[in-house]
Amino acid sequence: EIVMTQSPATLSVSPGERATLSCRASQSVSSNLAWYQQKPGQAPRLLIYGSSNRATGIPARFSGSGSGTEFTLTISSLQSEDFAVYYCQQYNKWPPLTFGGGTKVEIK
Amino acid sequence: EVQLVESGGGLVQPGGSLRLSCAASGFTFSGYWMHWVRQTPGKGLVWVSDISTDGSESRYADAVKGRFTISRDNAKNTLYLQMNSLTAEDTAMYHCARVKTDSSGNYYVGYDYWGRGTLVTVSS
Repeated sequence: EIVMTQSPATLSVSPGERATLSCRASQSVSSNLAWYQQKPGQAPRLLIYGSSNRATGIPARFSGSGSGTEFTLTISSLQSEDFAVYYCQQYNKWPPLTFGGGTKVEIK
Repeated sequence: EVQLVESGGGLVQPGGSLRLSCAASGFTFSGYWMHWVRQTPGKGLVWVSDISTDGSESRYADAVKGRFTISRDNAKNTLYLQMNSLTAEDTAMYHCARVKTDSSGNYYVGYDYWGRGTLVTVSS
């Protein structure tokens, strides 16, 4: 099973600032990585797939990069609605599909 | 509008059973693979099971294999998860999710829609 590790666990950022979230895989997952956003009481929302492809309706301030074992989600200028928990997920080798433990982006 | 609405969760004793349902609307349900994913504060998001468009193929996480059964009724646009021999480790919010595929339609690239989930609590 591929283990996904996200860092940091919590990221404190001021509105308008840039946020950089990291995700590491225990073995190469090529570019088969997705990112999700989840707000309290809501279902997760797909942001990025294929490491860098924005899902439908996702604003351009969200960008993904990386391949192999190291991945980054960048939010270029944080808006109030972006404060949430973010998860990465690999789909290169499954089952099982595996998720990272999440990064909570909170207001500084 | 695509909607996935789970139901059937609740409090159950260890060793008991529950059947979860996921009612789908706003899309051609029979055209999509569907999954169950569970979520806890401690373990985060954990994949549980998936099922093919016609229900002929299914797979399970090791932790639930032999105890859980995924199924679907395309005529009713509904996905199910039969959970037997439940333990405290199965306590979680259970989400159903629709698979997004690549442009070829053949490969999984993520979940483009999720339900809000139904809470299962296993406790005496």
